[in-house]
Amino acid sequence: EVQLVESGGGLVQPGGSLRLSCAASGFIFNNYWMSWVRQAPGKGLEWVANIKADGSEKYYVDSVKGRFTISRDNAKNSVYLQMNSLRAEDTAIYYCARLFLWGQGTLVSVSS
Amino acid sequence: QVVLTQSPSASASLGASVKLSCTLSSGHSSYAVAWHQQQPGKGPRYLMNINSDGSHSKGDGIPGRFSGSSSGAVRYLTISSLQSEDEADYYCQAWGTGIPWVFGGGTKLTVL
Repeated sequence: EVQLVESGGGLVQPGGSLRLSCAASGFIFNNYWMSWVRQAPGKGLEWVANIKADGSEKYYVDSVKGRFTISRDNAKNSVYLQMNSLRAEDTAIYYCARLFLWGQGTLVSVSS
Repeated sequence: QVVLTQSPSASASLGASVKLSCTLSSGHSSYAVAWHQQQPGKGPRYLMNINSDGSHSKGDGIPGRFSGSSSGAVRYLTISSLQSEDEADYYCQAWGTGIPWVFGGGTKLTVL
């Protein structure tokens, strides 16, 4: 079955860190760009970051540059999002995504 | 960067048809667009992608009631024989190699 499964979300205090993981299966992982997309409560979809199939290129939305890092391990069919210096406005459901494929999402709450 | 414009809301009666639009910003009328459905409380689900010539490719298991078309810079999603479970938010998305994903603001569809 083709799927993406996220993990690692939770409640964290402002300024804290969290690392999200996404395990891919059912397709040739190292052929695809991978992305993270988030959705704040009651809001629309916002692209956060993406990474080239071989990991050589990475792009970020301006609001997370310098705080978030996307990475991947093709041997483990996994993509990650390291989130540092978290802010209240980072509170959202974070979805791992490939073109035309979504994970189920993991909730990140930033609050004191 | 491309901007996608969607109407915030739409409504249609049970069993009727509805046509949702996604307008590409000036200079980007050749872009393909993907449509995603997000039912209440659920993650996004890929529906189809639509090319500038109107050709489209649907995701696995997407009913034949869903179809796509294109006219100039506008990409359309048509849902026929509306059912109650079609009540959802619908997002269009543009993408490209090495560029950020872009989402429209979403259209909230109400089935009357």
